[in-house]
Amino acid sequence: EDQVTQSPEALRLQEGESSSLNCSYTVSGLRGLFWYRQDPGKGPEFLFTLYSAGEEKEKERLKATLTKKESFLHITAPKPEDSATYLCAVQAWAIGAGSYQLTFGKGTKLSVIP
Amino acid sequence: NAGVTQTPKFRVLKTGQSMTLLCAQDMNHEYMYWYRQDPGMGLRLIHYSVGEGTTAKGEVPDGYNVSRLKKQNFLLGLESAAPSQTSVYFCASRLQEYTDTQYFGPGTRLTVL
Repeated sequence: EDQVTQSPEALRLQEGESSSLNCSYTVSGLRGLFWYRQDPGKGPEFLFTLYSAGEEKEKERLKATLTKKESFLHITAPKPEDSATYLCAVQAWAIGAGSYQLTFGKGTKLSVIP
Repeated sequence: NAGVTQTPKFRVLKTGQSMTLLCAQDMNHEYMYWYRQDPGMGLRLIHYSVGEGTTAKGEVPDGYNVSRLKKQNFLLGLESAAPSQTSVYFCASRLQEYTDTQYFGPGTRLTVL
């Protein structure tokens, strides 16, 4: 069974204090790893897709990296507007479904204090 | 281009009542999904569709039915609502099998009393 574990569950940072969020996974036949941002009362918003170990992608203050067992979302000099829940999901072939499916972690709630 | 839209945004039901949630997308996507999100749990797949006229069960399908009569619409039905179905429901769509990103709607918050 595919599993995705995100840590920490919640993280409070001072504005400008860089940190990392972790997503560890066990999956058979990883096709891709996704990061989404979710604001309160909104749907998940796509951030990144990573396909192979060693791959990195950046967007503004965010950088996502991937190894064979985990992914990190690095947040450099965060601002209050970066406060959100960050979701990690792995995409793999679901044999019973006959298509690729996403398995989500529970998310990390990030709060950036001015 | 509105992307993925969901109707209604909020709904309160009594146990045993029925309702239908509507998801619409204007991106000509083949794949559509219904998820539920509960506190302390990740998004869980209820049902999905790989094209017009097709539906399939996801991880937590019991108590729900779906239909995809038109490519742009994916309906989620609750025939007899139960308090355990209190949740936030998200619809998502994906272009086709060999494109990966799922795009999500804004969600429907459902409370069953």
